[in-house]
Formats: sequence, C-alpha cells, structure tokens
Amino acid sequence: EDKVVQSPLSLVVHEGDTVTLNCSYEVTNFRSLLWYKQEKKAPTFLFMLTSSGIEKKSGRLSSILDKKELFSILNITATQTGDSAVYLCAVEPINDYKLSFGAGTTVTVRA
Amino acid sequence: DADVTQTPRNRITKTGKRIMLECSQTKGHDRMYWYRQDPGLGLRLIYYSFDVKDINKGEISDGYSVSRQAQAKFSLSLESAIPNQTALYFCATSDLLGVSTDTQYFGPGTRLTVL
Repeated sequence: EDKVVQSPLSLVVHEGDTVTLNCSYEVTNFRSLLWYKQEKKAPTFLFMLTSSGIEKKSGRLSSILDKKELFSILNITATQTGDSAVYLCAVEPINDYKLSFGAGTTVTVRA
Repeated sequence: DADVTQTPRNRITKTGKRIMLECSQTKGHDRMYWYRQDPGLGLRLIYYSFDVKDINKGEISDGYSVSRQAQAKFSLSLESAIPNQTALYFCATSDLLGVSTDTQYFGPGTRLTVL
C-alpha cells in the first residue's frame, strides 16, 4: 500500500522566517509527487515533481525531489501571513492515476 | 465562474438517511474523483471515474456509491449515513496530458455532518 508521511504536523513561525516542509513516501512504481496548498477551502496545486534533483520555483516557494531517498521538501522563504495554510503532499504511481495524500502540515505565520 | 462546483456546500443529516452529494465541472475533463478529508488523515480517495462508463473503488469505498451521469457530473451517495462519515468531501477532476502526470483540480468541498 502506498504511504505518504509529512512532517512536521504543524509549525508556527513569524513573518520573514523560512520554513521547510518534508514529505517522505513509499510507492510502487513512482510517477510523480505533487504539492498542494489548502487554505479554508479546496486544495490548490503548487508543484509537480517527477525528476530527482531539479528544483521547481514559484516566487518564494520552491520544491525539490530526491527519488533515491524517497522524499521531497517544500521551502517557503520570507514567509507572509498569507502563507498560513495546510500544505499537502501527494504521490502518484505509474499505471494508476490516483493520488495518495499525506496528512498535511499546518503552517501558521504570525505577524 | 468556478470550474468545479459541489452541492450542497454544507449538510447536516441524521443517522440512516440517504444523502447525495453532487459535483459538476466545466473543465471538459474525463476523470473525476471523490475524496473525504478528516483531521490528521489527509485526503482519502473514495471513488474515481476515468470516463462515463468507468467507475472504480478507491481506498475507502465502503458505505458509499457513485454515479457518473455525464462527463461533467459525478455524484456521491451515502445510502445510509452514519456518524463516522462526518467529514469534508471534495470532488476533483483531471485530464491526462499525453503521457505526463495530470494534476487534479478540486471543488470547494462539502461539509457533511451526520448526527
């Protein structure tokens, strides 16, 4: 059974801090790993990672995948209160177009 | 206008009642999914459908059924609701871009409470 574990479960930081979120996975025949941001509504897509070592960036957010060690990290630099959300990691295996989600990391950014 | 809509957005019901949650999409995607979200458990897949004639069970399908009435519509039913089905339910859609991984687009969610 595919397994996705995110850590930490939650964290509180102050504006301007940098946060690093972790996602480790066990999946048969890995295809991709995806990051979503969920505020008080539906998850919205952030990144999709398929290749090891290639960083994806979007503004202050970046993510990288390590397929050898089976994990990904999501970094948020110069955090703002608008970054407060639950960040979800999901993995997708080849030949099975279903996502398995981790439990999420709740990030709270205080002014 | 939202690409993926869900109705109702909130529902309170009693144990034993039949409930239907509806999902519609205007993205033209073939694939549709139903998830439930519980605190500390993330999103778990209930059912998914890759086209109108294709219905598949997800990891937690017991107690649920679905109907794919058209490419744009995918309904989730709880035949006899029970309190542990209290959760936030999300519908999602996706399309396959060549051989690349698709991404899923989520509806706004339905908060269901079973008393």
